Amino acid sequence: KAGVTQTPRYLIKTRGQQVTLSCSPISGHRSVSWYQQTPGQGLQFLFEYFSETQRNKGNFPGRFSGRQFSNSRSEMNVSTLELGDSALYLCASSRQGTLPTDTQYFGPGTRLTVL
Amino acid sequence: DQQVKQNSPSLSVQEGRISILNCDYTNSMFDYFLWYKKYPAEGPTFLISISSIKDKNEDGRFTVFLNKSAKHLSLHIVPSQPGDSAVYFCAASRWGGTSYGKLTFGQGTILTVHP
Repeated sequence: KAGVTQTPRYLIKTRGQQVTLSCSPISGHRSVSWYQQTPGQGLQFLFEYFSETQRNKGNFPGRFSGRQFSNSRSEMNVSTLELGDSALYLCASSRQGTLPTDTQYFGPGTRLTVL
Repeated sequence: DQQVKQNSPSLSVQEGRISILNCDYTNSMFDYFLWYKKYPAEGPTFLISISSIKDKNEDGRFTVFLNKSAKHLSLHIVPSQPGDSAVYFCAASRWGGTSYGKLTFGQGTILTVHP
């Protein structure tokens, strides 16, 4: 069974640009969550999608957005990039997103560097 | 507002000895706790969990202890092996409600096990 895949693995952008990251969940998983990992901050929850609907959202500005497609694949977009957006972006999938017992499986992440 | 805290950024132990990783939380609504392990260039992987109705959960070399009154949990690894060297994240969640897809993570502790 294939794991969670994320593309691209590495990205370099400049301030003011926008970026789109992609996540393909494990087959049969309908919930996709996105997290931002920065040094000293751990993983911070961005949002969760289930059946193409955003069900939960963290405390991030509106520049961070996402969507989910009918095949459960998800994308997140960051507009007007700032230096502080440099981070590892991780996506995690689970069957239903009904935590805590619905285990989340993480992808390897996309390393975004903003210059 | 860091609701889950891992106050030790790093821990170094000798192979065969016990590793103890600590985690504190402030939100009394959390009732389920998890530990994830992360190797470089990989996503976090689920290790072990504990519900707030228990004070101990064991899985092989890994044991998690929960002290609800102190809002503290710890992960014990006995005996420690060099392959355990990784970043360990403590995470917390709530049953039901609007916690869809959301785990609240600590900052992580880098464990190094020396041969």
